[in-house]
Amino acid sequence: EIVLTQSPGTLSLSPGERATLSCRTSQVVASSYLAWYQQKRGQPPRLLIYGASSRATGIPDRFSGSGSGTDFTLTISRLEPEDFAVYYCQQSETFGQGTKVEIK
Amino acid sequence: QISLKESGPTLVKPTETLTLTCTFSGFSLITKGEGVGWIRQAPGKAPEFLAVIYWDDDESYNPSLKSRVTITKDTSKNQVFLTMTIMDPIDTATYYCAHRLGRGYNWFDPWGPGTLVTVSS
Repeated sequence: EIVLTQSPGTLSLSPGERATLSCRTSQVVASSYLAWYQQKRGQPPRLLIYGASSRATGIPDRFSGSGSGTDFTLTISRLEPEDFAVYYCQQSETFGQGTKVEIK
Repeated sequence: QISLKESGPTLVKPTETLTLTCTFSGFSLITKGEGVGWIRQAPGKAPEFLAVIYWDDDESYNPSLKSRVTITKDTSKNQVFLTMTIMDPIDTATYYCAHRLGRGYNWFDPWGPGTLVTVSS
């Protein structure tokens, strides 16, 4: 069973700053199977990135995904107020434990 | 536009069986490739995959819950069902259904709003 480890657990940043979130898998995975979601309180997860680097429909271009093998990254180039949320990576049927991006 | 919505009991007793319904629109489970999955999320925890069913009746389950979970569909009503037996307080969670484009596209998009199920006597 593949394990996804996200880091850091919490990221404290200010609006306008760059956010870099990591997702490490316990074994090599196909990039095409790596996705990222954003979840705000009281809402379901929303797909941001699929195939490791493709933005889902309607997702702003300040969100970008990269990586391969066992190391994947979600980058938010300049944080907007609405970006403060919890972010999860997913590979096949496994989700990471999440990274909370909070206002500093 | 694809949308999904979960329905079912909000409170179940320990040892009871939970049955949830996902009613969807904007796609059909008779279309090649399409799938619907169930995912749950305990309060403050990460999502946990439960099961997925595809247009061709293929099913996939979380191995740790496979003995308790069954996923079925009614294509004529655009509905997918989740049955989970022997419910326990640790099964308290928000249960989501979500669309999956196909086996080669293993992300879920979009998700329903979710339904909170509490297991308590």
